[in-house]
Amino acid sequence: KQEVTQIPAALSVPEGENLVLNCSFTDSAIYNLQWFRQDPGKGLTSLLLIQSSQREQTSGRLNASLDKSSGRSTLYIAASQPGDSATYLCAASGAGSYQLTFGKGTKLSVIP
Amino acid sequence: DGGITQSPKYLFRKEGQNVTLSCEQNLNHDAMYWYRQDPGQGLRLIYYSQIVNDFQKGDIAEGYSVSREKKESFPLTVTSAQKNPTAFYLCASSPQDISYEQYFGPGTRLTVT
Repeated sequence: KQEVTQIPAALSVPEGENLVLNCSFTDSAIYNLQWFRQDPGKGLTSLLLIQSSQREQTSGRLNASLDKSSGRSTLYIAASQPGDSATYLCAASGAGSYQLTFGKGTKLSVIP
Repeated sequence: DGGITQSPKYLFRKEGQNVTLSCEQNLNHDAMYWYRQDPGQGLRLIYYSQIVNDFQKGDIAEGYSVSREKKESFPLTVTSAQKNPTAFYLCASSPQDISYEQYFGPGTRLTVT
């Protein structure tokens, strides 16, 4: 059964800094990996999806990478802004399944 | 605008009552999902459906029931058998294509006292 871990649970950075959020998963036979953003009391917004055949995806200031052999994914945020403050969730599918298993998230605070 | 709607945003019930949470999507997605989120926890899958009139249990289905009579709708009933129903409930949908990318609704916060 797929297990997903996100470390650290919380991160505080000054505005303008580049940062990396980490996600690890136990089953390397994933179908895809998805990064989400969640604002307090809101639903999830899909940021990036990486399929198992891909190594990375980019959208604006965000870049997500996938290394199946090591069971890791990273979300890189360039030139952070206070509006990036939110909880970032990583979710990975397991072998033979399209269902997602979620990590507990990293709560990011960008200080002006 | 295409998207997923969940209603109501907040719901309050007395212990022992069943309650039904609504989820509607106009994205023409075949698959729909229900998750539960508790403070400090990741999302946990309750039920999912890949096609009309068919659904499967997720990791924590006990005390919940669903129906999928229409492609656009996937209501979740929280029954009195659910021991800890107070939580944030999220509905999602995805296409059944190569991506299976999931899209989420705004959520319903259920409080049972």
